[in-house]
Amino acid sequence: SQQGEEDPQALSIQEGENATMNCSYKTSINNLQWYRQNSGRGLVHLILIRSNEREKHSGRLRVTLDTSKKSSSLLITASRAADTASYFCATEGSNDYKLSFGAGTTVTVRA
Amino acid sequence: GAVVSQHPSWVICKSGTSVKIECRSLDFQATTMFWYRQFPKQSLMLMATSNEGSKATYEQGVEKDKFLINHASLTLSTLTVTSAHPEDSSFYICSARDLGGDRTEAFFGQGTRLTVV
Repeated sequence: SQQGEEDPQALSIQEGENATMNCSYKTSINNLQWYRQNSGRGLVHLILIRSNEREKHSGRLRVTLDTSKKSSSLLITASRAADTASYFCATEGSNDYKLSFGAGTTVTVRA
Repeated sequence: GAVVSQHPSWVICKSGTSVKIECRSLDFQATTMFWYRQFPKQSLMLMATSNEGSKATYEQGVEKDKFLINHASLTLSTLTVTSAHPEDSSFYICSARDLGGDRTEAFFGQGTRLTVV
């Protein structure tokens, strides 16, 4: 079942600007992951942050996790047109290996 | 990263026929595979979890006789949509994980666009 909620639902920014999206979840987790999906394609794994981590970086991506607030954020810095895609957070529960996906944020980067 | 190949990428079939979708992990042993369904502009909904050599575990509301899942080897899982109807039209995505060691990220197939006419 879907656990995460993401906001905003959609985001339109100019190339070079930063894009921030948020994810909230309801139950305890083992880790939280962010994925990107281009239209009509499969998902590409971006970054995984464990429940005992607070921040993680990967290239132009920065992810934070606040387990007390049950929320995470994904920041894409210096966005490019190629970053245009839908971004999903997914949580892995403490008791099983299933991933529950948020509703996703559609990001459009204008050239 | 690991590669998961899903085939076919799209299929059109007539109502009442069955369609098989394959999901292969090409460079690792997938102890567990997951099948998702995605409606346009919506999130992924987990349909079932399959472990190699055992019966799949279906999520609530998913008909196991309608969506047959077989995970006969560590590199291949199949989803068969039986007696397909237009409401089964959707985007189906598989993912594969090797849960034998540390918990790693899931790798996803490219997805299959099923259209039932």
